[in-house]
Amino acid sequence: DVKVTQSSRYLVKRTGEKVFLECVQDMDHENMFWYRQDPGLGLRLIYFSYDVKMKEKGDIPEGYSVSREKKERFSLILESASTNQTSMYLCASSSDRVPGNTIYFGEGSWLTVV
Amino acid sequence: AQTVTQSQPEMSVQEAETVTLSCTYDTSESDYYLFWYKQPPSRQMILVIRQEAYKQQNATENRFSVNFQKAAKSFSLKISDSQLGDAAMYFCAYRSPTQGGSEKLVFGKGTKLTVNP
Repeated sequence: DVKVTQSSRYLVKRTGEKVFLECVQDMDHENMFWYRQDPGLGLRLIYFSYDVKMKEKGDIPEGYSVSREKKERFSLILESASTNQTSMYLCASSSDRVPGNTIYFGEGSWLTVV
Repeated sequence: AQTVTQSQPEMSVQEAETVTLSCTYDTSESDYYLFWYKQPPSRQMILVIRQEAYKQQNATENRFSVNFQKAAKSFSLKISDSQLGDAAMYFCAYRSPTQGGSEKLVFGKGTKLTVNP
């Protein structure tokens, strides 16, 4: 089975702190994604990457950056956390080799910024 | 840009009965994929069912089936013989065909399903 692992399930950070959310997948997937989930807004794409060192902005990239130095790892970075970034963050991955390109999700990281 | 609309923020169903969750989408493309994902309280998003737009036959996975109406741009999910474990948020999602190796899902805002014993 595909495994997408987000290293932190629950984090509490202070305003202005730099925050790293880490995601690792074990199925050699080319594509990786970071979504943000908020009540009433559904899931919104922050950034995605289709190859090592490649990244593309999603729908809401402001205030975020990403890093993909290795194929299996995709990090989301909040350079200076703000309270409006309190949310659930979901990492996902997929492969172009898989018919239908199903996207697999991690368990989510709940970030609270105080 | 593609959009996905789930018009029912919340639904409830009695255990063992059938419930249908609605989803409509807007696109100018002729080839695409549609998905229903389930997110239980544990927060793990799980793929429930997938439909390729070029297939006329509706997808089915055990108690889950879809009613795909391409002309109407409608993609509803039917859950038969509902079980307590079906209680979750359900998200409808749209994906364009892969272009240049990149892809993304567009999600609806979700429908919260409650199953009453």
